[in-house]
Amino acid sequence: SAVISQKPSRDICQRGTSLTIQCQVDSQVTMMFWYRQQPGQSLTLIATANQGSEATYESGFVIDKFPISRPNLTFSTLTVSNMSPEDSSIYLCSVEKVVGETQYFGPGTRLLVL
Amino acid sequence: GENVEQHPSTLSVQEGDSAVIKCTYSDSASNYFPWYKQELGKGPQLIIDIRSNVGEKKDQRIAVTLNKTAKHFSLHITETQPEDSAVYFCAALNTDKLIFGTGTRLQVFP
Repeated sequence: SAVISQKPSRDICQRGTSLTIQCQVDSQVTMMFWYRQQPGQSLTLIATANQGSEATYESGFVIDKFPISRPNLTFSTLTVSNMSPEDSSIYLCSVEKVVGETQYFGPGTRLLVL
Repeated sequence: GENVEQHPSTLSVQEGDSAVIKCTYSDSASNYFPWYKQELGKGPQLIIDIRSNVGEKKDQRIAVTLNKTAKHFSLHITETQPEDSAVYFCAALNTDKLIFGTGTRLQVFP
């Protein structure tokens, strides 16, 4: 398994501002992912964070809105830019130690945009 | 692309009864099917998984069955306890991405 921490655990932000969420893993992993979970909904993949290169975004998500960094094999950040109330969600980081193997999730960051 | 349907959306059972949650998938190329439990205020936690070369897997009170021909898989929880109350998500791995079902809110009443 993997121990994953996210910071902040929750935040309340004003519209038009940006928030950067950090994800730290206790060991090196191959894959890191970012998901969004809107209130009462399922998980939607935002992007795959690639170490040393640009993230791979899913349909409907763009780099200008959700810039992602992954400087090494244990750390990644997701920024939610120019926030609006529609961005209020839980943002989850997940990891795979081996491609196609078990995916483990962090505790999530609960974001409320006013 | 892959689509995963999950039923029921809510399930209420009496403590000690069994609970069954069913999922169907559309792409026969999917080959890995995990189940996650998400408690309020927490991230999803893997509780059991199954690969396409296996028909059934059991871990204490939890079991998962897979029917590749029909493209459906199910989660079975026996002797339910109040601490089993949570939202459960099924998922299918397709082209290195997990596609999630819509979730089942399980309530176990003492």
